[in-house]
Amino acid sequence: KAGVTQTPRYLIKTRGQQVTLSCSPISGHRSVSWYQQTPGQGLQFLFEYFSETQRNKGNFPGRFSGRQFSNSRSEMNVSTLELGDSALYLCASSIGLIFQSEQYFGPGTRLTVT
Amino acid sequence: AQTVTQSQPEMSVQEAETVTLSCTYDTSESDYYLFWYKQPPSRQMILVIRQEAYKQQNATENRFSVNFQKAAKSFSLKISDSQLGDAAMYFCAYRSALTGTASKLTFGTGTRLQVTL
Repeated sequence: KAGVTQTPRYLIKTRGQQVTLSCSPISGHRSVSWYQQTPGQGLQFLFEYFSETQRNKGNFPGRFSGRQFSNSRSEMNVSTLELGDSALYLCASSIGLIFQSEQYFGPGTRLTVT
Repeated sequence: AQTVTQSQPEMSVQEAETVTLSCTYDTSESDYYLFWYKQPPSRQMILVIRQEAYKQQNATENRFSVNFQKAAKSFSLKISDSQLGDAAMYFCAYRSALTGTASKLTFGTGTRLQVTL
C-alpha cells in the first residue's frame, strides 16, 4: 500500500504571498491531520479533516485553512505569509475511528518564507 | 489541556547497548493513547510503538518496549540492542480517546538519540 504523499516537498515563497500544500492519504484512510514543525515551537496540531469536514482545529490564526475532497485528499492553505510561517508541514492520515486512529505521516513540505 | 514533557534533549548510546528515553505527561483524562514516534534525518515521522491507557501490560515491538506507569504519568521507551539506524529524534505523543479530539496528537519536544560505534 502506498504511503502518505505530500506535494510539493520544498517551497520558497515571499512574505505576503499565499501557498497551498497538498496531501494524499493512504488508500482507505478518511482522516487527514496537519501539523506544523518548527525549531522554536516544536510539533503543533493545525487541524483535522474527516469525510470532507473539519473535525478538530488547533490554535492557529485564520490565515491557516484547509479542505478535504471526496477522495480524502486534503489541501492546506496559508494566506498572507509571514516569516514565522517557515516550517516543515506534516500531513498524517488515519482510518479516522477512535480506536483505530494511528496516524501515519507523510514526508512533509518544507516551506521557506523570505 | 494535556502536556507532554521530554526532559532529555539528547542521549547517546553505544551500538548493541540499551537506552531508555523518558517521557512524562499531564492529563485529567482517564482514557487515552500514548505513542513514540521516530524522526530520522529524512524528517519522515515513523510510528515506533503505541500504548493504550486502559491496558496494564506494557507494549513491546521487537527491540522497542515501553514502561507505562499510569499513576505516575510516565511513559518511557527502552531500545535494546541499539543499532546505527536507531539514530534519530524521538517524540513522545499523547492522544485523547474522547470523540472530537481523538485526532489531535500532542507532542513532547523530542529527544535526539545518537548511536556510536
